[in-house]
Amino acid sequence: RKEVEQDPGPFNVPEGATVAFNCTYSNSASQSFFWYRQDCRKEPKLLMSVYSSGNEDGRFTAQLNRASQYISLLIRDSKLSDSATYLCVVNSGSSYKLIFGSGTRLLVRP
Amino acid sequence: SAVISQKPSRDICQRGTSLTIQCQVDSQVTMMFWYRQQPGQSLTLIATANQGSEATYESGFVIDKFPISRPNLTFSTLTVSNLSPEDSSIYLCSVEGEMTGPGYTFGSGTRLTVV
Repeated sequence: RKEVEQDPGPFNVPEGATVAFNCTYSNSASQSFFWYRQDCRKEPKLLMSVYSSGNEDGRFTAQLNRASQYISLLIRDSKLSDSATYLCVVNSGSSYKLIFGSGTRLLVRP
Repeated sequence: SAVISQKPSRDICQRGTSLTIQCQVDSQVTMMFWYRQQPGQSLTLIATANQGSEATYESGFVIDKFPISRPNLTFSTLTVSNLSPEDSSIYLCSVEGEMTGPGYTFGSGTRLTVV
């Protein structure tokens, strides 16, 4: 079993749609959780950290369920510019080492 | 967050040669990380570079193949040695330090093609 698992997609949605990505992780000792965005041929960029209480940044909402070891990202009112690969990232237990999911590709069409 | 300058951005190298990648950070950071992203894959940590000590390598990566230098708190190099076509990948450096805020910042990557 992979340490971090994501649905690879692609998710193909129209502009304005709401789309949700899910991620599960295997290490119950993990403490830090992130969503990164990676555009084609670019480096990953931090989209948001994920906290137990859930957090929202504009159109983006991230949630964490520690009991189920499950992380989600919700994007509302999708824009063309949201088209990218979204990486679920978890630290390895108590260490600084990051484990990357394989990414979920999002395509937003006009 | 920190700003990382990584170079070269891309290179095409002959088999058996080596490529050294540099990362310069605009602030002092405790740890620098080197990742590999193979075509169509996600990122895999190669090693962690700490200033003043040898790098710590992940399973499957060895110092002879991926020597790393970390001469100070703002700079690191990764060398990919004795290149083979299987080394064709994107290599990225990353930092997470006291001044960079939550999460990790990545360099823009080095796209290596071995011919």
